Amino acid sequence: TQLLEQSPQFLSIQEGENLTVYCNSSSVFSSLQWYRQEPGEGPVLLVTVVTGGEVKKLKRLTFQFGDARKDSSLHITAAQPGDTGLYLCAALPPGGYNKLIFGAGTRLAVHP
Amino acid sequence: KAGVTQTPRYLIKTRGQQVTLSCSPISGHRSVSWYQQTPGQGLQFLFEYFSETQRNKGNFPGRFSGRQFSNSRSEMNVSTLELGDSALYLCASKTQGTNTEAFFGQGTRLTVV
Repeated sequence: TQLLEQSPQFLSIQEGENLTVYCNSSSVFSSLQWYRQEPGEGPVLLVTVVTGGEVKKLKRLTFQFGDARKDSSLHITAAQPGDTGLYLCAALPPGGYNKLIFGAGTRLAVHP
Repeated sequence: KAGVTQTPRYLIKTRGQQVTLSCSPISGHRSVSWYQQTPGQGLQFLFEYFSETQRNKGNFPGRFSGRQFSNSRSEMNVSTLELGDSALYLCASKTQGTNTEAFFGQGTRLTVV
């Protein structure tokens, strides 16, 4: 059982569409990160959310941390082919002592 | 500031051989974590080193080992390679504290034949 459950697993959309991906857990986290990974490359950190209810924007990407700090969402507006990749959420488990764990990821394909 | 550097990028080995992968973290970062990524299992935590000491370990067999040097560079070693060890091995240089963030290298793609 994954500590961080990401949904959906796969998403295939057309350029210009909006989408939301989710990262859920039954645990409370002090912070949560989102990463994007392209094929054959390492994940790249997009954002860290810390405060319950926090919303952060990165151009067309909007990240939200749940009020109870157990879940997070990533919303992309007007998706572009360059958004294609694997989106991973990550967090420190309770008492994890810097052992960062990752969800299984959402694989996004944006078609022109 | 240079990023995380992993070498080599690609490696092909045969079953039974051993392999050593290298990771140089971001300057000033003392924590290095290793992950194995496969299509079926996603990113799996291998181990973490901080100031030359292994601080955390994942659920991998003893064939997987690592070490960290005084300059924070880290190596991981896999002995008696199996076909199932084929994966992308990622090294992450991490900040410390409550809001730890990981900065990844490009990874080493290991293929065992």
